[in-house]
Parts: sequence; structure tokens; C-alpha cells
Amino acid sequence: DQQVKQNSPSLSVQEGRISILNCDYTNSMFDYFLWYKKYPAEGPTFLISISSIKDKNEDGRFTVFLNKSAKHLSLHIVPSQPGDSAVYFCAASNSGNTPLVFGKGTRLSVIA
Amino acid sequence: GAGVSQSPSNKVTEKGKDVELRCDPISGHTALYWYRQSLGQGLEFLIYFQGNSAPDKSGLPSDRFSAERTGGSVSTLTIQRTQQEDSAVYLCASSQEGRSYGYTFGSGTRLTVV
Repeated sequence: DQQVKQNSPSLSVQEGRISILNCDYTNSMFDYFLWYKKYPAEGPTFLISISSIKDKNEDGRFTVFLNKSAKHLSLHIVPSQPGDSAVYFCAASNSGNTPLVFGKGTRLSVIA
Repeated sequence: GAGVSQSPSNKVTEKGKDVELRCDPISGHTALYWYRQSLGQGLEFLIYFQGNSAPDKSGLPSDRFSAERTGGSVSTLTIQRTQQEDSAVYLCASSQEGRSYGYTFGSGTRLTVV
């Protein structure tokens, strides 16, 4: 069973607009959530994270929102730039010492 | 080193052959993870090493897969009698003290079984 789900395989957004990537999880024991970004032929790189005690974390153009009751998180990128075009993976952890569980990823294309 | 190093970057092998994939983690990182990404799939956890503890092998898909970590540093993932479904990108990551939010990934090894 998939504990972390990214139901949109791809998303296309115009440059300058907002990109919203969604992620749902099923395991209520998850207490830490992360987003990773992956370019072709490179390993994923850490982007932003959020603890379950918060509902929002912001870092520059990137904001992650967590809705624990809905078991849903989202990544907002604003304004979107062509360099943001990549695959974005949502990941979750239980207590920080267990291996991360990743979703299947969403391919974001930002069109100039 | 400055980052996680994986070798080879690409490997093409014939079905039935054994392959070894190498991961050199960041110096001082005690935790090391292997994941794989098959076509159209997410990152699938394979195995996790933390210090001197017994590894968490719960993600290994079959007994053809094994991994070791020598001296708490370099790790080798071995796949015996490779099958076409083993074709994937194999990613290694390391982190300090098993902290999930400190993962640094290597660039991966793309394995193609023909």
C-alpha cells in the first residue's frame, strides 16, 4: 500500500504564476514531512520540510502547508520560474529515525 | 568527500549476471540508505544502515539483493542473477545520526538489464 501519494504525475504552470503541488498520506504516525526536488541525471535535493507541530513553513518562494486532519500537505512555489522545472517528491517520516517514505513524484514544467 | 559518490553512473548487464553498485557517503555521516527508482515509480526504500546497528533490510525485494557497509563508510549493493525488472536508478543517501531531514543523495547508478 502507498503511504505517501502524489496523485498528479505532472503539472504545467506559466512563469510568474503559482505552482501548487499536492501530497496525501495515510499513516497517522508520520510526524515530519519533506519535499525534495530532482533534476534529470541528478539525485534528489532537499527543498523544504515541516514538522507535524506546525501548519506552515516558508522559505523564500517556497511554502509548505500541512493539514493534519486531512492528512494532506502542499508545496506552493510563487512566483514560479523556468528553473523550477523538475520532479518534486513528497516524503514523510515517523520519529525522524526511520527511512523516509517517498511519493511517486510530480513533474513540474514552468513555461516561459 | 563533499558529497555522496556513487559508481558506476551507468551499468548495462546481461540478464543472469551479478552486479555490484558502490556508494561512498559523506564523511562523518553515520546513516546510509539505498533506494531505487523504477520507470514511472517513486523512490522505493531498499535498505538502511545506522552506525554499528544491524541494518534494516525490510525493503529488499528478494534474496537476490544484499548490501554491506564496511568500516561504517563505503557501502556495496549486490544484485545476483539480475532480472529485467531490476532495471532502475539505484540511489544512495547518507545522513547524520539517522536524521531523516538530513539526507544527501548521490546522483545514482542507472542499471539496465538486457
